[in-house]
Amino acid sequence: QVQLVQSGAEMKRPGASVKVSCETSGYNFTAHAVHWVRQAPGQRLEWLGWINGGNGDTKFSQKFQGRVTITRDTSATTSYMEMNSLTSEDTAVYYCASSDMVAAILGFWGQGTLVTVSS
Amino acid sequence: EIVLTQSPGTLSLSPGERANLSCRASQSVRSYLAWYQQKPGQAPRLLIYDTSNRATGIPARFSGSGSGTDFTLTISSLEPEDFAVYHCQQRSNWPPITFGQGTRLEIK
Repeated sequence: QVQLVQSGAEMKRPGASVKVSCETSGYNFTAHAVHWVRQAPGQRLEWLGWINGGNGDTKFSQKFQGRVTITRDTSATTSYMEMNSLTSEDTAVYYCASSDMVAAILGFWGQGTLVTVSS
Repeated sequence: EIVLTQSPGTLSLSPGERANLSCRASQSVRSYLAWYQQKPGQAPRLLIYDTSNRATGIPARFSGSGSGTDFTLTISSLEPEDFAVYHCQQRSNWPPITFGQGTRLEIK
């Protein structure tokens, strides 16, 4: 069965960086995409960006362009999301989710990773 | 960026009743609208994609309708496990993908 398993909770200081992993299984990683979405307390779901599991192409929300990097390791069928210059407003649960290459329909989700930014 | 507005913010109903949740887009998203269910402490789960297509394993009591800018998720007869937060999401002309602010469906 399809599974996306994310790395554990992180606590960071303002100005630091965080890297979250998303290990996938049960489907053809290189024939699908991985999206990253976050949910801050009391806020709506917010899309950060996307990586093509096959060729590594990425797309980002303009809000996060330049501050978020999304990569993948095809041999490990894992995607990574790194965010730098963290502030308290980046405190949120970060999710990865899979879709096919063309349609951004988020069919399977990871369990979420809580990132807390506090001094 | 397309803004999605969901209404109502909170809907209070009893098991067995019918629920209608609304999602309105700031511009046409054609039929490219999805619905997700989220329970406390869990990730969202895909229910409906492209307006009216149920995802694998989703019960027939969930249905979607609409087009352009106005969409509805209907739950025909509420089961206890249906009380959750529901999010709509558009994928027309992405990036970015955008989500509504959510509707909380609570037990009356």
